Amino acid sequence: SAVISQKPSRDICQRGTSLTIQCQVDSQVTMMFWYRQQPGQSLTLIATANQGSEATYESGFVIDKFPISRPNLTFSTLTVSNMSPEDSSIYLCSVEGTSGRIRNEQFFGPGTRLTVL
Amino acid sequence: KNQVEQSPQSLIILEGKNCTLQCNYTVSPFSNLRWYKQDTGRGPVSLTIMTFSENTKSNGRYTATLDADTKQSSLHITASQLSDSASYICVVSASNYQLIWGAGTKLIIKP
Repeated sequence: SAVISQKPSRDICQRGTSLTIQCQVDSQVTMMFWYRQQPGQSLTLIATANQGSEATYESGFVIDKFPISRPNLTFSTLTVSNMSPEDSSIYLCSVEGTSGRIRNEQFFGPGTRLTVL
Repeated sequence: KNQVEQSPQSLIILEGKNCTLQCNYTVSPFSNLRWYKQDTGRGPVSLTIMTFSENTKSNGRYTATLDADTKQSSLHITASQLSDSASYICVVSASNYQLIWGAGTKLIIKP
C-alpha cells in the first residue's frame, strides 16, 4: 500500500486569505488526486495532478481558486485561494495503485480539515 | 446520468450483530465497484474492489456482493465491533479514473 501524509492536518483561516496543503507519498506515482469533503457529504474530486503537466480540473473547480503544483512523482500541493466560509471542508490527497495486487486500489491521505471564519 | 445511491443513510446496531448495507448504481461503462470505510476525521480506506465478473469478495468480517445485472451491491458486516462505527462509501468506477461516489451509510455500533 501507499503511505500518504498531508500538512497541515487542520487549520483555521480568515476570510480572503490562502492556504497551501502539502501531500507527500512514500512511492512514485503517476497521478495524484485532490478531493474535497464538505461536512456530512461524500467526496468530490477537485482535480487530477499530473507530473510535468497542468492539473486537470473537474466541473465547478478552476485553477485560479485551487492552483495545484506537482513538482515530482512523490509530492503535490493544493492551494485554496481567497477563502470564504464555504471553503470549510476536509481536503484529501489520493493516489491510485498501478501495479500488481494494488492496481486500481485508491489510497487516501489523512486529510486536512480547513475552517474559514 | 451516472449515479450511486446508498441505503440506509444511517444505521444503529448493537455490538455483535450483523448488518447489510446497500448500493444501487447507474454507471456506464462499468469498470469496478469499491467499498470504503471512513472513520470520522480520517481518509477513506479501501475494503473491497470488485470487477464485472466477481459477485462476492470478502475482507475479514466484511463481505461484498455484486449483481451486475441488477446493478446492485451490498456490504455485509458480520459480528460487528465498536471499531466498525464509521461511514461506508460505495464507489463505482466508470473508467480508470472517473469515480462516482455514493453519499455513504453512517454506521453506529452500540455496546
